[in-house]
Amino acid sequence: KAGVTQTPRYLIKTRGQQVTLSCSPISGHRSVSWYQQTPGQGLQFLFEYFSETQRNKGNFPGRFSGRQFSNSRSEMNVSTLELGDSALYLCASTWRGQGTEAFFGQGTRLTVV
Amino acid sequence: GESVGLHLPTLSVQEGDNSIINCAYSNSASDYFIWYKQESGKGPQFIIDIRSNMDKRQGQRVTVLLNKTVKHLSLQIAATQPGDSAVYFCAEKDNYGQNFVFGPGTRLSVLP
Repeated sequence: KAGVTQTPRYLIKTRGQQVTLSCSPISGHRSVSWYQQTPGQGLQFLFEYFSETQRNKGNFPGRFSGRQFSNSRSEMNVSTLELGDSALYLCASTWRGQGTEAFFGQGTRLTVV
Repeated sequence: GESVGLHLPTLSVQEGDNSIINCAYSNSASDYFIWYKQESGKGPQFIIDIRSNMDKRQGQRVTVLLNKTVKHLSLQIAATQPGDSAVYFCAEKDNYGQNFVFGPGTRLSVLP
């Protein structure tokens, strides 16, 4: 069974641009969560999608958004990029999102210059 | 609010020794806990989990202990190997939360 796949692995963007990251969960998993990881803040929850609906949202500005498709693949978008958005963005999938382990992808390393 | 933290940010152990990584949590409603290992350039990897109705759970070379009285979680790694060098995160979730709350992480360095 293939693991969680995130694309692209690396991205370099300039301030003010927008970016879209993609995540394909493990086959059969319906819940996808996104996390931002930085050296200073650690792993911080962005949002979770289940059956194409955002079920939970972390404390991030509205520039951060996401969506989930009918095949459970998810995308997250960051608009008007800021230098502080440079981070490793991790996607995790679970079977149904509660009380079960989350499987992480390799992440997308975003650098904003 | 709920939070999860670690007592030690870094831990160095001799190869072959046992390692103990600690984690404190503040949400008494947390009922599910996971330890993750993250190697450089990779995403977090599941190690072991435990539910609040248990005090101890063992895996291959790893043991997780849960003390609900003092809201403390620990990960024990037996016969630590160089491949165990990584950052270890504890994460917790309660029945009402849809997401995991992660601790800041502990870096484990295994000395030859």
